[in-house]
Amino acid sequence: EAGVTQSPTHLIKTRGQQATLRCSPISGHTSVYWYQQALGLGLQFLLWYDEGEERNRGNFPPRFSGRQFPNYSSELNVNALELEDSALYLCASSLALGQAGGQPQHFGDGTRLSIL
Amino acid sequence: QQQVKQSPQSLIVQKGGISIINCAYENTAFDYFPWYQQFPGKGPALLIAIRPDVSEKKEGRFTISFNKSAKQFSLHIMDSQPGDSATYFCAASKQGGKLIFGQGTELSVKP
Repeated sequence: EAGVTQSPTHLIKTRGQQATLRCSPISGHTSVYWYQQALGLGLQFLLWYDEGEERNRGNFPPRFSGRQFPNYSSELNVNALELEDSALYLCASSLALGQAGGQPQHFGDGTRLSIL
Repeated sequence: QQQVKQSPQSLIVQKGGISIINCAYENTAFDYFPWYQQFPGKGPALLIAIRPDVSEKKEGRFTISFNKSAKQFSLHIMDSQPGDSATYFCAASKQGGKLIFGQGTELSVKP
């Protein structure tokens, strides 16, 4: 069974540009989560999509946005890039909610975004 | 109240020893507590998880101990091996949804 796949592996942008990161969940998973792993800041929750809807977003500015497609893949868009956006962006997927207590989230290997 | 505090920040253990990493939380609504292992250049991999109705869960060399009254949980790695050298994260969530992560523990197992 294929795991969570993310593309591209690395992305280099300059300040003010826009970045698009992509994620394909594990087959059968309908929930997709995005996390930012910046040096010294640990893993921070960004966005959660389930069945095409945004369910929750973390404490990030509106220039961080995304969407989930009918095939459950997802895209994270970051506009007006700033130096501080340099980080590893991780996508995770899980089975649908419906059972109290949460479902295991499985992560991809991330997209390393570097802002010059 | 959303924080998960993890300690120690780094840990050095001899091969064959026991590695112990601790986490504490404040939000009593949390109902799912996973541990992740992350190697350099890779995403976090789910190791083991526990729900608050259980005080201990064991999978191979990995054991989670959970103390609901103290709002603490810990990961024990028995017979630690050099291949276990990685960064470990505890996390918590409530009724599904986002994971709140601890700050991470860098484990080094010396041969």
